[in-house]
This record gives sequence, C-alpha cells and structure tokens, in this order.
Amino acid sequence: NAGVTQTPKFRVLKTGQSMTLLCAQDMNHEYMYWYRQDPGMGLRLIHYSVGEGTTAKGEVPDGYNVSRLKKQNFLLGLESAAPSQTSVYFCASSSTGHINQPQHFGDGTRLSIL
Amino acid sequence: LAKTTQPISMDSYEGQEVNITCSHNNIATNDYITWYQQFPSQGPRFIIQGYKTKVTNEVASLFIPADRKSSTLSLPRVSLSDTAVYYCLVGDKNAGNMLTFGGGTRLMVKP
Repeated sequence: NAGVTQTPKFRVLKTGQSMTLLCAQDMNHEYMYWYRQDPGMGLRLIHYSVGEGTTAKGEVPDGYNVSRLKKQNFLLGLESAAPSQTSVYFCASSSTGHINQPQHFGDGTRLSIL
Repeated sequence: LAKTTQPISMDSYEGQEVNITCSHNNIATNDYITWYQQFPSQGPRFIIQGYKTKVTNEVASLFIPADRKSSTLSLPRVSLSDTAVYYCLVGDKNAGNMLTFGGGTRLMVKP
C-alpha cells in the first residue's frame, strides 16, 4: 500500500535551473496539495488541487507552478530556482476538502538550491 | 482560520503521560480541532480530531473544555518512538484544503 509517493527524494540545483517534483497517490483522492517546510518551521501551503484539471494558489505560490493532468498525479515546477526555495517539499492528498478527512502525506523531497 | 498557540517544546520520560495544550481563543462555532504528528524526515500524520468534550482513539485522547478556547492532546505512557513534532490545527468543516500548520510542539521522550 504505497499511499503518497514523492519523486525525487533529494535534489541539488543551481540558481536559475528548473525542475519538476512529482507526486503520485494510489488512494483515488480528489484533493492534492504541495507544502514547503523550512528548518524548524511548520508547513506552508504552496498550491493545491480539488480535482483532475484544477489548481489553486495557497499561501506561498510565487515562483512555483503546478499541474494536475491525471487524478493520481500532482506536479510541482520550479521555473527558475532561487536559494530561497531551498526547503523540504511535502505532497499530500485527501478524499475531500472536509476537515474531518485527514490529509495523507508523502515523505518529502529535500531540495537545495546553490 | 483561527490562530493557535502551542508550547515550542516539551520533554518527558518513557512511561509518563504527556499533555500538550493548544490555545485557540478565537475559535469559531463551526471549527474543528485537529492534531497531526510529524516524525523526523517524514510527512505529518493525522492523530485525532474533535469538536467538543473528549475524543479517544488507539493513539491519543483529546480533551476540549466547554468554551473550546483550548484543547489538550494526551499521550498515555509515551515511549521513545513518540518523539516527534505535534501540530494543533483549527478550522471549519470546509477548511480542510487550507490547513495552517504552525511551528508545532517538539516532544522529546527520554529513556
């Protein structure tokens, strides 16, 4: 039972490079989310999706783009990486947006921008 | 979404009961209280949720007083594996897609 799988687990980029983080879930969930977590801090919502083909901005969307072409996948793109985007990125999914439906998280992608 | 305040850190010893209190003075009538647990190098994991009084599951208990301005997560007889960060979140039933994780409480369980 895989749950939420994030690829890659680690990555080092140079300033200005681009990359895409992949999130895949096998629970048939409608909602998917991307968060970032800086050292010693809580999670901040970047973007989320309420269903296939939809995306919406979260708390800190600048510098990121997302796509949800397939229900099971949610992609996070960095167009031109900056050192301020060094962080741990978590993907999550839930069956609905109702607060009593818990979010299921992946184990994170650790991204360093030099 | 209602703002929450938790202690930054707590220490405990194996076998003790741990109580982590979260303040949410401006909680709204329709808000639920949810707790997540995060182990090092992992994503957060849902622990428990409640609206009022007491909720208990196999992992923890959640105590909510009548005024609902605070809540207490209770972990019975903690072990070293309970060392983690615990987040208290408050929001109404439709806020699930805009959860706000604050800094959480870092619980260190010592042998």
